[in-house]
Amino acid sequence: DAKTTQPNSMESNEEEPVHLPCNHSTISGTDYIHWYRQLPSQGPEYVIHGLTSNVNNRMASLAIAEDRKSSTLILHRATLRDAAVYYCILRDPYGGSQGNLIFGKGTKLSVKP
Amino acid sequence: DTEVTQTPKHLVMGMTNKKSLKCEQHMGHRAMYWYKQKAKKPPELMFVYSYEKLSINESVPSRFSPECPNSSLLNLHLHALQPEDSALYLCASSQDTSGGLSSYEQYFGPGTRLTVT
Repeated sequence: DAKTTQPNSMESNEEEPVHLPCNHSTISGTDYIHWYRQLPSQGPEYVIHGLTSNVNNRMASLAIAEDRKSSTLILHRATLRDAAVYYCILRDPYGGSQGNLIFGKGTKLSVKP
Repeated sequence: DTEVTQTPKHLVMGMTNKKSLKCEQHMGHRAMYWYKQKAKKPPELMFVYSYEKLSINESVPSRFSPECPNSSLLNLHLHALQPEDSALYLCASSQDTSGGLSSYEQYFGPGTRLTVT
């Protein structure tokens, strides 16, 4: 399985944008980039996913490098509620383990008031 | 309703006990999952059910026994656990696990915090 590399932790100020990086230099052509987050004492929740083009939804934006070897999750205005562990996950829907999410260590985001 | 419910929220059991964890979803999803999460670690996949059949068992010890009685319910039967099995057990569901589509977003429940004494 292709691996991802994320910083262990990041800090942000409330109401400022946050850019969470993810490196995936061994990504294959059929790997989709998924982001999940896990708030304290909760199960993970889906944030966003993409393949090649940048993606936006109500929660965040996903910027994918042209060579697809890295991506960035963008929270446009961090709130205290965004403090969580953010996981960048590669998923190949055509692979032998379709639907499986293999979680890495993730980035723990702290948001300061 | 995009909710996955898990019961109980907390469970303390001895090493000789038998207990069960329950998970329920009413989103019409045909894939359900069990994950184990140790403190300060990422979730690890244990089992995958697709259309009520076990499709993946990630080499989980037999003291963990999953069951999918119908498309909305997923159980995890526990027997003769060890203290190192203490963890948060997460259930998730998704529309399907079929290949070829871009995303089958997984919806997670809040988990059952298990302590084995």
